[in-house]
Amino acid sequence: DAGITQSPRYKITETGRQVTLMCHQTWSHSYMFWYRQDLGHGLRLIYYSAAADITDKGEVPDGYVVSRSKTENFPLTLESATRSQTSVYFCATSWGAGDTQYFGPGTRLTVL
Amino acid sequence: GQQLNQSPQSMFIQEGEDVSMNCTSSSIFNTWLWYKQDPGEGPVLLIALYKAGELTSNGRLTAQFGITRKDSFLNISASIPSDVGIYFCAAKTSYDKVIFGPGTSLSVIP
Repeated sequence: DAGITQSPRYKITETGRQVTLMCHQTWSHSYMFWYRQDLGHGLRLIYYSAAADITDKGEVPDGYVVSRSKTENFPLTLESATRSQTSVYFCATSWGAGDTQYFGPGTRLTVL
Repeated sequence: GQQLNQSPQSMFIQEGEDVSMNCTSSSIFNTWLWYKQDPGEGPVLLIALYKAGELTSNGRLTAQFGITRKDSFLNISASIPSDVGIYFCAAKTSYDKVIFGPGTSLSVIP
């Protein structure tokens, strides 16, 4: 049972390109989250989803787009990557809104 | 908005020493959580606290839910090299959302 997986684990791209980070879970958790982790900022919430086709903005949503057509997948798209989006991105899931969150292994993204 | 502050920001300790870190806020919370992030991995839940004054242990780790409900503490006894990582506190807000602190980075010198 893989639990929660993220792909790719590492990605290098150029400014202006579109990039999609994938998150897949096998637990059927209702909630899914996307965070970015930067030195000095800890974990900042980008977007979250309460269920399929229900998404909402977090603390730092600008420049990102999400979708959730299936419960198990929650892709994060950077429509036109910028250097400030260089970061480590974590996907997390939970049963309910305030329940324990389980994190994926992360995707390290570098935008040149 | 609601935010959590963690101190210290980073720690360098000798193997075998005890460690103390804390998490504070100006807001009241009903649930406090402590996560650990190993290098290159995602955070993993260590301890959850649900009641003011609660003291919970998990092996060498002990966490406490502050009486004021505005803070929480994490202690690690007899540190070992695998304790290295970033420790995040988190709290559940009245709106059923979880917010995270900025983390305390722990380095253990053998």
